[in-house]
Amino acid sequence: QEQLQESGPGLVKPSETLSLTCTVSGYSISSDYYWGWIRQPPGKGLEWIGSIYHSGSTYYNPSLKSRVTLSVDTSKNQFSLKLSSVTAADTAVYYCARNANHVGPTIWGQGTLVTVSS
Amino acid sequence: QTVVTQEPSLTVSPGGTVTLTCASNTGAVTSGYYPNWFQQKPGQTPRALIYNTDNKHSWTPARFSGSLLGGKAALTLSGVQPEDEAEYYCLLYSGGAQPFWMFGGGTKLTVL
Repeated sequence: QEQLQESGPGLVKPSETLSLTCTVSGYSISSDYYWGWIRQPPGKGLEWIGSIYHSGSTYYNPSLKSRVTLSVDTSKNQFSLKLSSVTAADTAVYYCARNANHVGPTIWGQGTLVTVSS
Repeated sequence: QTVVTQEPSLTVSPGGTVTLTCASNTGAVTSGYYPNWFQQKPGQTPRALIYNTDNKHSWTPARFSGSLLGGKAALTLSGVQPEDEAEYYCLLYSGGAQPFWMFGGGTKLTVL
């Protein structure tokens, strides 16, 4: 059964870079699909961050594009998110997810809370 | 900037029918926006319900259906159950040279 699991620091200081990794089990990310990130600030709605194909092609939320970097490590069956210059507004539960071409996220990780605070 | 709008809240009686809508400030929502719908209950991960306007996932209950209605994407729940009380989010695709997805603000559905 395919599963996704986020990992990374739960606390990041303002102006620093948030780094998260999603480990995929039960499926090879080099086979197909887009692999992406979504976040949800406490008590608020969902925000799509971006997605990456196993080949490395990416697409991003225009409002976050200047601060986001996505990457894939097929040898570890993982993909990663880096969000630079974070502020308190970046405090959120971050989800990793899998989606097909023109299909929204179908399989989600359980999410991980990242708090931006000094 | 693309903004996707949903009703902030709706209330429905058990056994009733309710329609949630999803609009884009860029114009009428068409099948080319590949509308998706998600359900999220408190403290839980979102669950995908509908993709590509009206396609159900294998786990989607039959009482949920998707469509296009009056220039918007729509999610209709027929024969609402108490367990359908949740937040519902739509997701639209924007194509072009730099494609991206955009979530709506969500609709809080109360079953009362």
